[in-house]
Order: sequence, then C-alpha cells, then structure tokens
Amino acid sequence: TQLLEQSPQFLSIQEGENLTVYCNSSSVFSSLQWYRQEPGEGPVLLVTVVTGGEVKKLKRLTFQFGDARKDSSLHITAAQPGDTGLYLCAGHPGGTSYGKLTFGQGTILTVHP
Amino acid sequence: NAGVMQNPRHLVRRRGQEARLRCSPMKGHSHVYWYRQLPEEGLKFMVYLQKENIIDESGMPKERFSAEFPKEGPSILRIQQVVRGDSAAYFCASSPATSSYEQYFGPGTRLTVT
Repeated sequence: TQLLEQSPQFLSIQEGENLTVYCNSSSVFSSLQWYRQEPGEGPVLLVTVVTGGEVKKLKRLTFQFGDARKDSSLHITAAQPGDTGLYLCAGHPGGTSYGKLTFGQGTILTVHP
Repeated sequence: NAGVMQNPRHLVRRRGQEARLRCSPMKGHSHVYWYRQLPEEGLKFMVYLQKENIIDESGMPKERFSAEFPKEGPSILRIQQVVRGDSAAYFCASSPATSSYEQYFGPGTRLTVT
C-alpha cells in the first residue's frame, strides 16, 4: 500500500504569517494533487503537479513536486483567515495516471485574525 | 457549467434499511469515483466506474455495498442493511476520459445511521 504522510496534522497561526505543509511518501507518484476542503463540503482541487521539480503558483500559494516525485509541499505566504480549512494531498498510486486516488490524512489549518 | 452533483446531501436511515446515494458527473465526464470519509479519518477510495462498467472496486466492502453507472442516468452507490459503522460522508468525483489525473468532487452525501 502506498501511503501519503502529511505534516503537520494541525496548524494554528496568526494572520500574516507564512506556513508550509508537507506531503511525503516512500513511493513514486505519477502526479500529486492538492485539495482544500471546508466543513460540510467536498474537496476542491487547487493544483496538480506532474513533473519532478515542478513549481506552481496560485496567488499566495506555492506548490512544489519533489525531484524524485515522492514528496510535495504547499507554502502559503501571508496567510489570511479565508485560508482556514483542511488541506489534502492526493496521488495516483502504483505509477498509474488514472483511477483511484490515495489521500493523505490532511492538515487542518486555522488562521486567526 | 454545473459541477458534480450529489443527492441527497443528507440521509438518515435506521439500522437495517437501505441507502441509495446518487451522483451526476460533470458534463462531458465519463469516469466516476466514490470515496468515503469517516469521522476523524481521511478520504478512502471505494470504487471506480465508467459507463456500464466497474473498473476498480478494490476499496468496496465485500458485503452490502454495490455501485453502478448506467448508460443513462446518475451513478448509484447502494448500501443494503445499513449499520451504524456506515455513518460517514460519501463523496463522488468525476474526470474526463481524455485526462484522468484530475478528479472533481461533489459536495457529498452525509449518511447517518440511527
């Protein structure tokens, strides 16, 4: 079973601070997706990274895929209360590019005003 | 362009009853996935379907659970003789046939078994 380990599990910070969430595995993934989920709603896709070493930016969010495609990180600059939510990384196991996604256990981010 | 639609959003069943959860994929998407999110746990894959075909059901419990995606109409996840342990949020996701990296999720159905 290919697992995705996310850290930290909980993160509580003040508005304006920076933060990084990590997603690690001992296995290679063909791609990794990052989702954000709010209470009572489904996960919303933020980004997909495919190429080792790839960096993608989405406003104040920066996503990186490790060179070996075994890990990824999400960095948020100048966090705002609206960033509060559950952040999930997910990938296709076994080197496939379709089918079931394996999810990390999630990082619950709380940004205090 | 409507997103993935699921209904009902909330479903309450007594132990022993049947639960039917429906999912309509995004327009143009022919791949459907079902995931379950138990309290305090992450999202777990259940089943992957294309029209009239089950592609991967490796995450489905062996008994009481079944899924279908007919030629016409929504995908259905059916749970027979529900037990309290089935209480969870059930999410459907869809992806287009040409690019399956990305899956788009619906709002989920929250099943409560009393």
